[in-house]
Amino acid sequence: DGGITQSPKYLFRKEGQNVTLSCEQNLNHDAMYWYRQDPGQGLRLIYYSQIVNDFQKGDIAEGYSVSREKKESFPLTVTSAQKNPTAFYLCASSIRAGGDYGYTFGSGTRLTVV
Amino acid sequence: QKEVEQNSGPLSVPEGAIASLNCTYSDRVSQSFFWYRQYSGKSPELIMSIYSNGDKEDGRFTAQLNKASQYVSLLIRDSQPSDSATYLCAVNWNGGTSYGKLTFGQGTILTVHP
Repeated sequence: DGGITQSPKYLFRKEGQNVTLSCEQNLNHDAMYWYRQDPGQGLRLIYYSQIVNDFQKGDIAEGYSVSREKKESFPLTVTSAQKNPTAFYLCASSIRAGGDYGYTFGSGTRLTVV
Repeated sequence: QKEVEQNSGPLSVPEGAIASLNCTYSDRVSQSFFWYRQYSGKSPELIMSIYSNGDKEDGRFTAQLNKASQYVSLLIRDSQPSDSATYLCAVNWNGGTSYGKLTFGQGTILTVHP
């Protein structure tokens, strides 16, 4: 079945530690996105990529980094510079850049700082 | 910064009633609109998309778009307890720095009680 796989489902981070969230899609979609969701909040865009080897900052990119070396993969690293990383992280993809077709979401990674 | 506004609710309706969810957006330069449903602890799933003024029906769901009033709504007929979820409105902007990215509202919590 085609879809987006995020791993791990739950992740615990110690203070000062970098962690990487995985996102893989087999939908052959060009564009991929990372969103953050806090309790009772909507989705806020962290980074997005419209094509391999290219990505742009979203609204809340500080403390995060990404790479897009393969069409299928768009990992997100939460660095120690992100002071409040506890949140639900959602990866999404769309057929092409432009968003006209909406997004398909992965099942999410819940990150907690311990 | 383009914005999408929703009443956070909660909106409570009895089983079998029509639930009406509303969304306004800040700029006329927009081209596509989406409604996502998100169950607690899960990722959003696309339930409706609408691109032109008027109504679009899909089963028990009807999306309504009025670009002149910058307003999009979702009607759920014959509401069921299984419709209880958070409903996210998303807008794809047609130009400017927000082009190609969906901007989400904060979501409306819907509760359908038996």
